[in-house]
Amino acid sequence: EVQLVESGGGLVRPGGSLRLSCAASGFTFSDAWMTWVRQAPGKGLEWIGRVKSKSDGGTTDYAAPVKGRFTISRDDSRNTVYAQMNSLKTEDTAIYYCTIGNCSGGRCHWDDAFDFWGPGTMVTVSS
Amino acid sequence: QSALTQPPSASGSPGQSVAISCTGTSSDIGAYNYVSWYQQHPGKAPKLMIYEVTKRPSGVPDRFSGSKSGNTASLTVSGLQAEDEADYYCGSYTGSNNLVVFGGGTKLTVL
Repeated sequence: EVQLVESGGGLVRPGGSLRLSCAASGFTFSDAWMTWVRQAPGKGLEWIGRVKSKSDGGTTDYAAPVKGRFTISRDDSRNTVYAQMNSLKTEDTAIYYCTIGNCSGGRCHWDDAFDFWGPGTMVTVSS
Repeated sequence: QSALTQPPSASGSPGQSVAISCTGTSSDIGAYNYVSWYQQHPGKAPKLMIYEVTKRPSGVPDRFSGSKSGNTASLTVSGLQAEDEADYYCGSYTGSNNLVVFGGGTKLTVL
């Protein structure tokens, strides 16, 4: 059974930093491209970034609002993906989810169909 | 403002059908057949209901179906049931730096 569990959320002052973790189990983590999506209170979903598997280059892509401030990384020995968030702004307040794509028919939709989600971790940026 | 446009609300009576639209551009929905739909109940994580415009993951009832025409995708829920009451979000691959865009969500009410 696929499980994703986020942690590391909390209250932080504007300009501060926070590191989120997502512990994964139930699938071959090293093969997976891992994605972070956030949801501000009462708002819609927002894709914020993704790290590819090391075999696919291990590269990252980010949404414009977080590029240069957030860094997504992975530790395959710990089956964990991280989101280092720096220079936090009040508009970064949201539930942060990690998610992975759907794999079926011998193909994985890493970037277009998010099939498994963690319960999320709340980040509040406020003075 | 979300990249994809959805109506804020939709409703239907039990047993009826309801369609939710999702309008994008020629750079996202119009360019790729990688439209997905998610159901989210209050306080829960989203659940994938449709991917690649029309495909259902294992376990999703066939009452849920997807379609696309030009820059607009649609999710249709047939035979509405009380448990279908939830927020629904569309998503599309874009192929650009902002790889995935989502809609603002539609609150579906079962009357």
